[in-house]
Amino acid sequence: GNSVTQMEGPVTLSEEAFLTINCTYTATGYPSLFWYVQYPGEGLQLLLKATKADDKGSNKGFEATYRKETTSFHLEKGSVQVSDSAVYFCALSGDDKIIFGKGTRLHILP
Amino acid sequence: NAGVMQNPRHLVRRRGQEARLRCSPMKGHSHVYWYRQLPEEGLKFMVYLQKENIIDESGMPKERFSAEFPKEGPSILRIQQVVRGDSAAYFCASSPRQGQIQYFGAGTRLSVL
Repeated sequence: GNSVTQMEGPVTLSEEAFLTINCTYTATGYPSLFWYVQYPGEGLQLLLKATKADDKGSNKGFEATYRKETTSFHLEKGSVQVSDSAVYFCALSGDDKIIFGKGTRLHILP
Repeated sequence: NAGVMQNPRHLVRRRGQEARLRCSPMKGHSHVYWYRQLPEEGLKFMVYLQKENIIDESGMPKERFSAEFPKEGPSILRIQQVVRGDSAAYFCASSPRQGQIQYFGAGTRLSVL
């Protein structure tokens, strides 16, 4: 069945560092791929998405490219801020449901 | 345009009691999804409903859990005779049509004592 695997956290970085959170997926067909972010005590917010191979999703300085050949959708940001501290979930759309990875907790130190 | 509204935000129940979680979808959305997030885990799909219909309940536990989305009013996730293992965050999402982007509420955090 469909599944998502993302790097385990927590990930701790200094402000302005480069961020990569790895995500790979297993799916039949051509799902859409997502990154969601969950700030402390809040619900999930859609950060970015890509609907087909080679699409690049971007938002708030974050980017991820849908790589069909490597079944990956890694999240990157060139310079992180303290306010980026949150849990990040990679996900894919499968039929009527979204399938999530376990999440990666990100801590940014000032 | 208000987002997906869930209430209560926090719910405390003793073992054996019933828990009712409410979800009002975004305006114009008629598709509702419930997910459960166990501690340190990702979200797991539970059930997908349209108005007055359950479309997919493949993620629902077979006993004690039920969901509805009546013609009028919010969607309700009901857990009977709660146990400690039901302690989790329950998230609701809505979309305007099947296959469209799902927008999430802030969740209900259920604690079973």
